[in-house]
Amino acid sequence: NAGVTQTPKFRVLKTGQSMTLLCAQDMNHEYMYWYRQDPGMGLRLIHYSVGEGTTAKGEVPDGYNVSRLKKQNFLLGLESAAPSQTSVYFCASSYRPQLGHEQYFGPGTRLTVT
Amino acid sequence: AQTVTQSQPEMSVQEAETVTLSCTYDTSESDYYLFWYKQPPSRQMILVIRQEAYKQQNATENRFSVNFQKAAKSFSLKISDSQLGDAAMYFCAYRMINAGNMLTFGGGTRLMVKP
Repeated sequence: NAGVTQTPKFRVLKTGQSMTLLCAQDMNHEYMYWYRQDPGMGLRLIHYSVGEGTTAKGEVPDGYNVSRLKKQNFLLGLESAAPSQTSVYFCASSYRPQLGHEQYFGPGTRLTVT
Repeated sequence: AQTVTQSQPEMSVQEAETVTLSCTYDTSESDYYLFWYKQPPSRQMILVIRQEAYKQQNATENRFSVNFQKAAKSFSLKISDSQLGDAAMYFCAYRMINAGNMLTFGGGTRLMVKP
């Protein structure tokens, strides 16, 4: 099992450019999450999905969109990047978190917006 | 909204000694989960220990144990026999049992281990 993988690992964007971050998991997990981590802070939830075809907003959703067309993939899109979106982005997945199952995290994507 | 507070931005411990990291949280729920995650310089988030709120017994995983005080909404992590590899950022996290089962993280504590 590869676990949770994220593509790309690093990216530099200019203000106004768009991009998509890809998260993939091979554990047949129902739940998937996108977080951002700013320097010196904990992770904050951007969007999440409780199953294929479903998405919902988290704590800091503005400026981002997501899609879960396939159960194993969760895409995070930035339509018009801003310097405030410079951060490290983490994807996570879980099978049945309501039963105490843990969230498995990807290695993170470092995004810089200039 | 739930909040998680880690009041110690940095902690230092001598190798082989014991250190305790503090965490408090705010919730009106009676059933939830609490976690401690470790984040080494590689950035990978690693689950250290988990506690179910309905369990009175404190969770233990080898050298790691928690002191869970539900009424005080306190969830501290004790690391015994500290090792150089324990040096990392440690995050306390709360998970309410609801539709999304999302994690709410504290701001983190940087642990340094002195040889």
